[in-house]
Amino acid sequence: EIVMTQSPATLSVSPGERVTLSCWASQSVSSNLAWYQQKPGQAPRVLIYGASTRATGIPARFSGSGSGTEFTLTISSLQSEDFAVYYCQQYNNWPITFGQGTRLEIK
Amino acid sequence: EVQLVESGGGLIQPGGSLRLSCAASGFIVSSDYMGWVRQAPGKGLDWVSVIYSGGSTYYGDSVKGRFTISRDNSKNTVYLQMNSLRAEDTAVYYCARKGSSGWYFEYWGQGTLVTVSS
Repeated sequence: EIVMTQSPATLSVSPGERVTLSCWASQSVSSNLAWYQQKPGQAPRVLIYGASTRATGIPARFSGSGSGTEFTLTISSLQSEDFAVYYCQQYNNWPITFGQGTRLEIK
Repeated sequence: EVQLVESGGGLIQPGGSLRLSCAASGFIVSSDYMGWVRQAPGKGLDWVSVIYSGGSTYYGDSVKGRFTISRDNSKNTVYLQMNSLRAEDTAVYYCARKGSSGWYFEYWGQGTLVTVSS
């Protein structure tokens, strides 16, 4: 099973700041990586798939990069609605596995 | 518009059974790929099961042999039959549709809570 590790667990940031979230895979997942955003009481929403492709309707301030074992999600200028938990997920190998999440909180 | 609506969750005693339903609209489940993902209270996401358009099914190790995914094409609905439930199965269960470019989940239902407790 591929283990996905996200860092940091919690990030305190101010609106308007640029933020980068990291995700590592225990072995190569090529570019088969997705990022999700989850707000309290809501289902996750896919932001990025294929490591760098924005899903439909996702604002351009969200961008993804990386391949192999190291990936990043960047939010160029944090908006109030971006404070949430972010998960990465690999879909290169079965079983599908998720990272443990990074919580973005208001500083 | 794609919509997924889960139902069937509730409180169940350890060792009991429960069947979750996921009613889909806006697409045909028999021509698509569907899955279940769960989230224990305050925890992260955990993949449970998937069903391919051709009918093949796959399960996570923690539920293999206890859970069964299926679908009813006439009702455009996917099911998750959960047997021999354990306390650690307590979670919100989400139904989700596979993305167009791989096994990420593009559409999600609102989730249904399963609580396993005596």
